[in-house]
Amino acid sequence: DTAVSQTPKYLVTQMGNDKSIKCEQNLGHDTMYWYKQDSKKFLKIMFSYNNKELIINETVPNRFSPKSPDKAHLNLHINSLELGDSAVYFCASSQGAQNQPQHFGDGTRLSIL
Amino acid sequence: DQQVKQNSPSLSVQEGRISILNCDYTNSMFDYFLWYKKYPAEGPTFLISISSIKDKNEDGRFTVFLNKSAKHLSLHIVPSQPGDSAVYFCAVLYNFNKFYFGSGTKLNVKP
Repeated sequence: DTAVSQTPKYLVTQMGNDKSIKCEQNLGHDTMYWYKQDSKKFLKIMFSYNNKELIINETVPNRFSPKSPDKAHLNLHINSLELGDSAVYFCASSQGAQNQPQHFGDGTRLSIL
Repeated sequence: DQQVKQNSPSLSVQEGRISILNCDYTNSMFDYFLWYKKYPAEGPTFLISISSIKDKNEDGRFTVFLNKSAKHLSLHIVPSQPGDSAVYFCAVLYNFNKFYFGSGTKLNVKP
């Protein structure tokens, strides 16, 4: 019973395609996040949702659109994939409004051909 | 403009000795600091944290030190074990939901 699970683990696709990554958490947390780990290994926040509402939206291309159908899910849809989108994407959750650590999924390695 | 910097990309330590991982941050308003550990093909897992009202927090073999005047954070692992070999990320939490991460330090503990 994984706390934060994201699918798929690996995603290989061609430039121009549209793809989605799903994330689910069973910790009862109210805040979920998407991070991108780039080639330099920095973990950069992309989006954060609290109770299904967008609270952080960093400088990310419009091609990236998060969707939170409920508190336990935060999916990431990417349109018109580009080579620079190749990275590992991590989903995380935490109990917001408190100093609480995040729990991470195992990541989705996205490779654009 | 990285808010959190880990200037040592890697560290190698003999089993049983102390491992010291360092982290610097830029904003004196940051008030909560965390260390995460990451194994290959897994997500980061929370290790230990410290609030800005403290300068030390200890949990078993792991101790985090905070030097606010220097804007410096360190993680001490004593004694180091081969299973500690992983990438360690320093992070800060700002405004309850904004996390900034460093680029990580790869620790190798040699048997």
